Amino acid sequence: SQQGEEDPQALSIQEGENATMNCSYKTSINNLQWYRQNSGRGLVHLILIRSNEREKHSGRLRVTLDTSKKSSSLLITASRAADTASYFCATAGPSGNTPLVFGKGTRLSVIA
Amino acid sequence: EADIYQTPRYLVIGTGKKITLECSQTMGHDKMYWYQQDPGMELHLIHYSYGVNSTEKGDLSSESTVSRIRTEHFPLTLESARPSHTSQYLCASSEGGGGMEAFFGQGTRLTVV
Repeated sequence: SQQGEEDPQALSIQEGENATMNCSYKTSINNLQWYRQNSGRGLVHLILIRSNEREKHSGRLRVTLDTSKKSSSLLITASRAADTASYFCATAGPSGNTPLVFGKGTRLSVIA
Repeated sequence: EADIYQTPRYLVIGTGKKITLECSQTMGHDKMYWYQQDPGMELHLIHYSYGVNSTEKGDLSSESTVSRIRTEHFPLTLESARPSHTSQYLCASSEGGGGMEAFFGQGTRLTVV
């Protein structure tokens, strides 16, 4: 069963603006991951945050995790046209030994 | 660039044909997965494997089958393709244990006419 729900479903911003995407999930997790997918391609891993972490940075990406609210957010700062893609969150179960469960994704359009 | 390869990238076939989608990885990963994704939509897990001779069905009911005879190879077979099988099929792999990151192939876009 799918447990990740991204919000918003679609987001359109101007180049240079920040983009924030949210993800909610239902059950306990070992970690939460964010992936990016360019149109018609496979997914590419962006960042992983463990259940005992609250915030993580990687370049222009900032991820937060609130396990009490079962939610995460992905912030892309100073967006570029090349950031246009779909972004998915994925959760790994508590044991870490179950397949990743992906959300429905947020389609981000960055307009130059 | 991940070392996981899917062939073919695009396939158009007639109803009733048997097809096999190939997936190979050179990273020595024990875990491999097949996801089905309609354009712009969520991913649905259809099959996964945690090692040689291990296969499990995923959350989405599928008429496909898989095999895992070698660590690096995880083919998916449709015995009799139907228009409802038209979709994108994504193969992925990950290291064992701990919910590690998954590496995805480029996908196979299947159209059944």
